[in-house]
Amino acid sequence: RKEVEQDPGPFNVPEGATVAFNCTYSNSASQSFFWYRQDCRKEPKLLMSVYSSGNEDGRFTAQLNRASQYISLLIRDSKLSDSATYLCVVNPNKLIFGTGTLLAVQP
Amino acid sequence: SQTIHQWPATLVQPVGSPLSLECTVEGTSNPNLYWYRQAAGRGLQLLFYSVGIGQISSEVPQNLSASRPQDRQFILSSKKLLLSDSGFYLCAWSGGSYEQYFGPGTRLTVT
Repeated sequence: RKEVEQDPGPFNVPEGATVAFNCTYSNSASQSFFWYRQDCRKEPKLLMSVYSSGNEDGRFTAQLNRASQYISLLIRDSKLSDSATYLCVVNPNKLIFGTGTLLAVQP
Repeated sequence: SQTIHQWPATLVQPVGSPLSLECTVEGTSNPNLYWYRQAAGRGLQLLFYSVGIGQISSEVPQNLSASRPQDRQFILSSKKLLLSDSGFYLCAWSGGSYEQYFGPGTRLTVT
């Protein structure tokens, strides 16, 4: 089983749609969690940290379910500029990156 | 604010040639530094990390090596490149938290 698993997509959604990504992790000792965004042929950029109580940053909401060992990212009112690969990252003792979920927002 | 630089941005090297990639961080002291590789269609793989000058930990056995000659400088090297060394090499830094921030990367093609 992979340490971090994500649906590779692609998720093709129209502008304005709400889209959700899930990610599961295998190491129950993981203590911190993140979502990164990676544009094509660019470096990953930190989108948001994921806290136990859930957190929101504008149109983005992240949730953590420790019991089921999954993390989610919800994007509301999708913009064309949201098109990217979203990487789920967990930290048992070092950052473990998922292979990413590709989002394509269509006009 | 902190910035991280990597060079070169792209590199094409023949098999068996040496490699030297450089990463420097500005605006912070005593950062933790990391080298990752991202192969086409695959996730980021941690290669090396460093918590201080001269302190290097290797995550994956390979023909690459890393050095940290100065607090904010991290170098990735190889004496003889293999075809399998092709990929996108990313340097990252972190401070007191677990969040890591990446440089722009070096795209290496070994021919």
